[in-house]
Amino acid sequence: GQQVMQIPQYQHVQEGEDFTTYCNSSTTLSNIQWYKQRPGGHPVFLIQLVKSGEVKKQKRLTFQFGEAKKNSSLHITATQTTDVGTYFCAGRPSGSARQLTFGSGTQLTVLP
Amino acid sequence: DTGVSQDPRHKITKRGQNVTFRCDPISEHNRLYWYRQTLGQGPEFLTYFQNEAQLEKSRLLSDRFSAERPKGSFSTLEIQRTEQGDSAMYLCASSLQLTSGKSSEQFFGPGTRLTVL
Repeated sequence: GQQVMQIPQYQHVQEGEDFTTYCNSSTTLSNIQWYKQRPGGHPVFLIQLVKSGEVKKQKRLTFQFGEAKKNSSLHITATQTTDVGTYFCAGRPSGSARQLTFGSGTQLTVLP
Repeated sequence: DTGVSQDPRHKITKRGQNVTFRCDPISEHNRLYWYRQTLGQGPEFLTYFQNEAQLEKSRLLSDRFSAERPKGSFSTLEIQRTEQGDSAMYLCASSLQLTSGKSSEQFFGPGTRLTVL
């Protein structure tokens, strides 16, 4: 079955430093979504990428979808304490399958 | 509050008991999903509905798990003969599936945390 892997599992950064999490799928994806889950909270949608090589920005967050549509990344510039949480990618495989497969997430800690 | 709601938020039960969780999606959403999440992992897909039709249930963890959405609105997830390994957060999400076939974002509820003693 489809597998979605994320690295790193944990990342501690000093406030103001940059942060990147990487997502790799074992199969080609029709689209990929990113979610953020704050401690004790539930996943909250951030963005969806659909096109090969697509790059989208949300303020300090930059999302990329690989050319082969099998990998993605999330980059945060100049982290703030409000960025704390776990970031999940979730891929929807090409073809008839409809369910999202979530990665195991990257837990970000921002030290003040 | 027009978000996804789940009830109860916490459930403690003894091994062997049956439990049922309820999810109320965002009212205009036609798709409803159930996930399980354990500590340090991402949500694990269990099943989903398009209106009242259950379109995928092969990922339910065992035949002890079942879900319904009888009128295409709220849904219930039942676990029979609970085991300690069933302890987890059970998340519900809803979305609006467009006629174009495009998927929209999933809105998650706060979850039901199940503890099986």
